[in-house]
Amino acid sequence: AQSVTQLGSHVSVSEGALVLLRCNYSSSVPPYLFWYVQYPNQGLQLLLKYTTGATLVKGINGFEAEFKKSETSFHLTKPSAHMSDAAEYFCAVSDGNNRLAFGKGNQVVVIP
Amino acid sequence: GAVVSQHPSRVICKSGTSVKIECRSLDFQATTMFWYRQFPKKSLMLMATSNEGSKATYEQGVEKDKFLINHASLTLSTLTVTSAHPEDSSFYICSVQTGGPYEQYFGPGTRLTVT
Repeated sequence: AQSVTQLGSHVSVSEGALVLLRCNYSSSVPPYLFWYVQYPNQGLQLLLKYTTGATLVKGINGFEAEFKKSETSFHLTKPSAHMSDAAEYFCAVSDGNNRLAFGKGNQVVVIP
Repeated sequence: GAVVSQHPSRVICKSGTSVKIECRSLDFQATTMFWYRQFPKKSLMLMATSNEGSKATYEQGVEKDKFLINHASLTLSTLTVTSAHPEDSSFYICSVQTGGPYEQYFGPGTRLTVT
């Protein structure tokens, strides 16, 4: 079965500082990996995804993630945090049958 | 992508009653939709896969007689929580699978509170 581990439920970052959210996955099939963002009382919005090809994936709002097979990781980064980045972030892996398994999420707090 | 709506956004019901939640795909004809449940400070848990014109596929541990799913058209799937109890209180989110590989677009969610 596929699974995702996201450590640290709450992540605090200063405005302008690097945002780094870690995601490690377990998958029995070649993984498709996703990062989603959720603002309060809203659904999930796709930030970026890795399917095949280039392992460094760029997404919306200045985020990017790198797929590292040897480390079974798909960490999310943004060079400079903005106040608007405060939200919950979820990493997810597909199971090859269009079903997604989500991590527990990281609540990002941006400190002015 | 696809634009997905849910109705209602919030609902409060009494224990023992049933409540229906609608998920609509506004600009995409979706043969497959998904229903998730999100507990406070927890991740999303897939409840079931809703297939247009056929029975839903439920995940292990999800009671199909309690969480009734109907996907009667390409734009509408409904989740009915029957004989609701306080432990059914949660945030329910639906998603639409579009043509892209494993791409899902999510609705805004429905907050259910059972008193």
